Amino acid sequence: SQTIHQWPATLVQPVGSPLSLECTVEGTSNPNLYWYRQAAGRGLQLLFYSVGIGQISSEVPQNLSASRPQDRQFILSSKKLLLSDSGFYLCAWAGTSGSITPYNEQFFGPGTRLTVL
Amino acid sequence: AQSVTQLDSHVSVSEGTPVLLRCNYSSSYSPSLFWYVQHPNKGLQLLLKYTSAATLVKGINGFEAEFKKSETSFHLTKPSAHMSDAAEYFCVVIPYNQGGKLIFGQGTELSVKP
Repeated sequence: SQTIHQWPATLVQPVGSPLSLECTVEGTSNPNLYWYRQAAGRGLQLLFYSVGIGQISSEVPQNLSASRPQDRQFILSSKKLLLSDSGFYLCAWAGTSGSITPYNEQFFGPGTRLTVL
Repeated sequence: AQSVTQLDSHVSVSEGTPVLLRCNYSSSYSPSLFWYVQHPNKGLQLLLKYTSAATLVKGINGFEAEFKKSETSFHLTKPSAHMSDAAEYFCVVIPYNQGGKLIFGQGTELSVKP
């Protein structure tokens, strides 16, 4: 069966510090991968998605970036965190092979709670 | 533009009574529709999905939803609420021509009173 991991589970960082959140998927190949952010009391905002290694699409311009160095690894980074980067970050995967189809549900990881002070 | 609207930001029920969480969508084509549940500080779990097969969809934990094209609705129901159902629920649409991207409703917080 497929599983998705995220770490760390919680993180407290000072403003201006760098960030690296990692997401890995097991039990599937060529997944589509997604990064979302959920601010307190609000819905989910899609940040990045990837249909393959090295292929990243950005949905929202900001000081975050994403990379996919391996097929089942998705990394969210920042060089300098802002207060507004605080939130709950969720990684998700969808089963397909190199393309985005309209009907594939996404499966979410447990999330990372980021607090920027 | 495609969108999804959850009509109630908060719903409160007593344990053992029915649950109704309302969702309306806007889409030019037949969309894929989903309900997800999120418990506090947890990821989202898929409850059920509609992908143009049967209009009445059964999901996990006794939940079901009915796709009504004439009303553009996809309401989530459960006959009898349990304390463990207390959580945030998201109605989600994947429009046919938007590259598979999820569009989330604003969420409905379900409270269950003993």
